[in-house]
Amino acid sequence: DVKVTQSSRYLVKRTGEKVFLECVQDMDHENMFWYRQDPGLGLRLIYFSYDVKMKEKGDIPEGYSVSREKKERFSLILESASTNQTSMYLCASRSGTLRNTGELFFGEGSRLTVL
Amino acid sequence: AQSVSQHNHHVILSEAASLELGCNYSYGGTVNLFWYVQYPGQHLQLLLKYFSGDPLVKGIKGFEAEFIKSKFSFNLRKPSVQWSDTAEYFCAVNRISGGYNKLIFGAGTRLAVHP
Repeated sequence: DVKVTQSSRYLVKRTGEKVFLECVQDMDHENMFWYRQDPGLGLRLIYFSYDVKMKEKGDIPEGYSVSREKKERFSLILESASTNQTSMYLCASRSGTLRNTGELFFGEGSRLTVL
Repeated sequence: AQSVSQHNHHVILSEAASLELGCNYSYGGTVNLFWYVQYPGQHLQLLLKYFSGDPLVKGIKGFEAEFIKSKFSFNLRKPSVQWSDTAEYFCAVNRISGGYNKLIFGAGTRLAVHP
């Protein structure tokens, strides 16, 4: 069965802290994505990666960075957390080349609260 | 500007009522369209998708959607809802941007079905 695992379901951090959100997929997928989900705004794409060590900015990359050192792992980094980054963060993966139009598989999400 | 519009943010229905959730997108050319569902406490999962061919597509759990190209719409329907359909529903459109294939989501519609 397909599995996308996000390491932390709930996190509480303080303003200015560095935050790491980890995502691992066991499907050997080439493409991985980070979205944030906010009420009334749906899912917005932060960053995506189409291969190891490759990354591209999504629609709202400001304040975030990512790392993909291994195919199965895609990390989202908040260098200095701010209260407006309080949100639900969703990781997803997809097989094939970047022009693949196949299904995205999602993790269960990481709810981050920044105080 | 929002590229994928879902007209209803909250819908409340009684069991056995019919459901139609609206989705419009603003991209021209070829599009691939999706509906995802998020049940309470669960991860997002694919409900159905349209790539080409018959514009009426059927998904899981009795859901269907109709692609109307002239109206840039991809509305989700179900003839008779059940309490277990209570969830948040997201319409999504594949967008080719900068040579990359990105999935853009609408704001979501929360559906509550009362017994």
